[in-house]
Amino acid sequence: GAGVSQTPSNKVTEKGKYVELRCDPISGHTALYWYRQSLGQGPEFLIYFQGTGAADDSGLPNDRFFAVRPEGSVSTLKIQRTERGDSAMYLCASSLNPSGVGQETQYFGPGTRLLVL
Amino acid sequence: GEDVEQSLFLSVREGDSSVINCTYTDSSSTYLYWYKQEPGAGLQLLTYIFSNMDMKQDQRLTVLLNKKDKHLSLRIADTQTGDSAIYFCAESPLKAAGNKLTFGGGTRVLVKP
Repeated sequence: GAGVSQTPSNKVTEKGKYVELRCDPISGHTALYWYRQSLGQGPEFLIYFQGTGAADDSGLPNDRFFAVRPEGSVSTLKIQRTERGDSAMYLCASSLNPSGVGQETQYFGPGTRLLVL
Repeated sequence: GEDVEQSLFLSVREGDSSVINCTYTDSSSTYLYWYKQEPGAGLQLLTYIFSNMDMKQDQRLTVLLNKKDKHLSLRIADTQTGDSAIYFCAESPLKAAGNKLTFGGGTRVLVKP
């Protein structure tokens, strides 16, 4: 079946602009995660949704970052007043059931590479 | 907080075995994962091990877990050029809501023909 998809695959923007990154999880997966991966580093957790609600947003770096998942499926990561330091690969993952044994494995999308000039 | 460490680089000849090592600090980890990332791509799940196991084998992949030393390794048998990639280990601490993952910095594996 279809995996996690993310759009756009690449986004170039100017400092100070607003961007939205979209994630389509695997159908039926209740949990959705956003991670950020800077060049040469491992992914770092940003936010986790269970259904429509953000169950853990402890990884969001500041209040310029916000994410929504209004219908419990597609999620949008929103970044206001972008800065050059926001340039990174933004990865989305989904899992069937984060509390179910054997159902918590996260499957990742291909990522959106964001470049802020 | 949680910390996951990996060596930066591994070079191996085609056909040999590769061993990638990882150490972690959180003793409450429930699952430990290995992901593979090819250039410009997302993360592909390779395998995982539950913390009450000490070994798991899946075709060419063998995962060893030493819980006492908090050491995880991934062995790739008969390494192929297509195995060249960055390999990340990740842990999921028991106390973390929703199973959020903490990743190491990645080990770049280069397979030479």
